[in-house]
Amino acid sequence: RKEVEQDPGPFNVPEGATVAFNCTYSNSASQSFFWYRQDCRKEPKLLMSVYSSGNEDGRFTAQLNRASQYISLLIRDSKLSDSATYLCVVTKGGGADGLTFGKGTHLIIQP
Amino acid sequence: GAVVSQHPSWVICKSGTSVKIECRSLDFQATTMFWYRQFPKQSLMLMATSNEGSKATYEQGVEKDKFLINHASLTLSTLTVTSAHPEDSSFYICSARRDRKNTEAFFGQGTRLTVV
Repeated sequence: RKEVEQDPGPFNVPEGATVAFNCTYSNSASQSFFWYRQDCRKEPKLLMSVYSSGNEDGRFTAQLNRASQYISLLIRDSKLSDSATYLCVVTKGGGADGLTFGKGTHLIIQP
Repeated sequence: GAVVSQHPSWVICKSGTSVKIECRSLDFQATTMFWYRQFPKQSLMLMATSNEGSKATYEQGVEKDKFLINHASLTLSTLTVTSAHPEDSSFYICSARRDRKNTEAFFGQGTRLTVV
């Protein structure tokens, strides 16, 4: 099983629609979870952290299910500028500082 | 916000030569920096953890003699790809955290290396 698994897409979604991505991780020792956004040929940028209680930032909602080792990201009222690759990221855990990245889900918002 | 600067943004080199990539934390001291590599349509893969004043910790399968890491100060880590070959062509990105408690990672702009 891959350490962090995501559906690569692409997801083609009309502007204004709601879209959800899922991610599963295999390392139960992981303590912190994030969604990063990566535009083509650019560095990843933090979109939001993910907490067990769930968190919302504007049109974006992230949720974590530790028991199922599952993370989700919901984007409401999608904008053209939301087109990007969304990376599910978890810490390695066990005292290690590094991050483990999923391959990313490619989202294309269509006008 | 924190800024991590990486240089150069892109480099083309001949096979067999060495290339040095610099990663600087501009507004904070980073005792730990991380080096990643990303091949086309693949995820970022952690290569090594760079520790200020001590040896880097390499991930399994990464050759430490080929990818030399130096973290001589709290704001600078360098990655040197020695005797580069075409299969080393990739997107190399560094990242740093402000501190261990703040787990957000800030990334450099990345270096696109092409070995011909």
